[in-house]
Amino acid sequence: QKEVEQNSGPLSVPEGAIASLNCTYSDRVSQSFFWYRQYSGKSPELIMSIYSNGDKEDGRFTAQLNKASQYVSLLIRDSQPSDSATYLCAVFMIKAAGNKLTFGGGTRVLVKP
Amino acid sequence: NAGVMQNPRHLVRRRGQEARLRCSPMKGHSHVYWYRQLPEEGLKFMVYLQKENIIDESGMPKERFSAEFPKEGPSILRIQQVVRGDSAAYFCASSRMKEYEQYFGPGTRLTVT
Repeated sequence: QKEVEQNSGPLSVPEGAIASLNCTYSDRVSQSFFWYRQYSGKSPELIMSIYSNGDKEDGRFTAQLNKASQYVSLLIRDSQPSDSATYLCAVFMIKAAGNKLTFGGGTRVLVKP
Repeated sequence: NAGVMQNPRHLVRRRGQEARLRCSPMKGHSHVYWYRQLPEEGLKFMVYLQKENIIDESGMPKERFSAEFPKEGPSILRIQQVVRGDSAAYFCASSRMKEYEQYFGPGTRLTVT
């Protein structure tokens, strides 16, 4: 089992619709969770961080965290073609060698006009 | 520009040469991380450094790779005797605190011919 799992996609979404991205993680004691957006050929860009159970909203983005289910999600409302990118879920994992940020493989999102 | 800076942006090396990648963290950030992203693959942690200290190098190959973050100047990732398999994008990230949000630089794309 991968430590951080995401559906690779592509997730095809019509313009104006809601894109829903999911991420599960294996470390029950993880406390810090992040979503990054990465355009092709570019570096990851931090778009959301979440540390507590529940929802956190920032503009058109909403992150949802459920630590009991080891599940974090990202909703993109009113999706735009410019949202077409790969979205990376990242979790701070507790490891014997040292805590580190572990990334999922990413979900590719395609927003169609 | 207060962002994470990396140079060079593109680097071409012949097999057997050395590659030196530089990273200057964001202002006020003292934690530096290096990641590698192979084509069509996810981000993999390599090393975590603070000034003059390597905190965690568990993701770094045992041979040919080394990293430093001197008291003065940028962090450097050094790859000796490069091989074709080293061709990848190398990203540096920095954070203000250890398990806090990490911000990525634009990356160095290394091509080994």
